[in-house]
Amino acid sequence: DADVTQTPRNRITKTGKRIMLECSQTKGHDRMYWYRQDPGLGLRLIYYSFDVKDINKGEISDGYSVSRQAQAKFSLSLESAIPNQTALYFCATSDGSGGRISGANVLTFGAGSRLTVL
Amino acid sequence: GDSVTQMEGPVTLSEEAFLTINCTYTATGYPSLFWYVQYPGEGLQLLLKATKADDKGSNKGFEATYRKETTSFHLEKGSVQVSDSAVYFCALNTGNQFYFGTGTSLTVIP
Repeated sequence: DADVTQTPRNRITKTGKRIMLECSQTKGHDRMYWYRQDPGLGLRLIYYSFDVKDINKGEISDGYSVSRQAQAKFSLSLESAIPNQTALYFCATSDGSGGRISGANVLTFGAGSRLTVL
Repeated sequence: GDSVTQMEGPVTLSEEAFLTINCTYTATGYPSLFWYVQYPGEGLQLLLKATKADDKGSNKGFEATYRKETTSFHLEKGSVQVSDSAVYFCALNTGNQFYFGTGTSLTVIP
């Protein structure tokens, strides 16, 4: 099994629908992240969490929400999807220690969830 | 703020050619630097990293040296293979967040 599992891998939905993307990890990492990938824009951070009680907005959090249900689970929700949220979404975890201590963290990514909003 | 700028693609090379993908960064403090690779249909995976100035990261024939004086972390490989075709991302971490470049697509033709 993969270290970081994302579901669904592909989803097509309509404008206005609520969508949840789920992420689970077996790495035992405290830190989890949601990124969005668009052609020519690289990866942009949506939300991140350093432990179960810690949620932080990233660069592009508008229109998204997250829930950290457990150390191993971090879900991303689009309350009312719109076409410009069509993108490839990645969940990632890192091996930094709890809190905000600098270090040579390494990200481990899931395989991605491709979302199309019509 | 912290940021990464990398060479725009796409890059097309013949097999066994020399590869350089340029990456420069802006950061406060002392960042760690990374190259990630994304093969078609997959997530990103770590290719190599360097945590302090003058460190050289290497993996699978790829190398990059952390140059503080030029704020650069250029990726190089002496002889590319078709299997190296992928998108390459330069990234930095200063503790809390990671910052990624826009990615450089590499296609290697036989």
